[in-house]
Amino acid sequence: NAGVMQNPRHLVRRRGQEARLRCSPMKGHSHVYWYRQLPEEGLKFMVYLQKENIIDESGMPKERFSAEFPKEGPSILRIQQVVRGDSAAYFCASSSTWNYGYTFGSGTRLTVV
Amino acid sequence: AQTVTQSQPEMSVQEAETVTLSCTYDTSESDYYLFWYKQPPSRQMILVIRQEAYKQQNATENRFSVNFQKAAKSFSLKISDSQLGDAAMYFCAYGNSGYALNFGKGTSLLVTP
Repeated sequence: NAGVMQNPRHLVRRRGQEARLRCSPMKGHSHVYWYRQLPEEGLKFMVYLQKENIIDESGMPKERFSAEFPKEGPSILRIQQVVRGDSAAYFCASSSTWNYGYTFGSGTRLTVV
Repeated sequence: AQTVTQSQPEMSVQEAETVTLSCTYDTSESDYYLFWYKQPPSRQMILVIRQEAYKQQNATENRFSVNFQKAAKSFSLKISDSQLGDAAMYFCAYGNSGYALNFGKGTSLLVTP
């Protein structure tokens, strides 16, 4: 069981570019969550998805951020026109049901220069 | 909104000794879940222990145990026989019937030989 796979591990983007972060959940998991960790902070919830559906995106900024979890393939967190304030570690987690504790990936560290 | 507070930014413990990390939370719910996660330098978020609020018995996992005081809204983590590999950031998290986990800001644990 390969666990939750996130790629890339590190991503550098210039201001105004697009960032695409990928997450493949654990085998058998149909719930995917995205979190953001700013320096010296805990993780902040962004969005919760099931296959082809966004269940809760209350933690995601209304502009420039979007997420999807297609029927086939990984979940994608997309950030358009990145700004320096988007620099953070982005974590994906998956679960079979939410209340057994997530399994997290190793995160993608996004640096905007 | 539920908040999670970790009042100790840093803690230090000697190998083989015991250390307790504090966590308090604020909620009006009666049924919820509490978690401790470990984040080593590799950045991977690892579930250490989980407690269900309706269970009075404190959860234990090998050298890790919790002191869950529901009335006081306190959920401390005790690490016994500390090992060098226990050095990491430790995050307390709260979840209920929603999808999101609320994380505290973390406690950095240093283990000295």
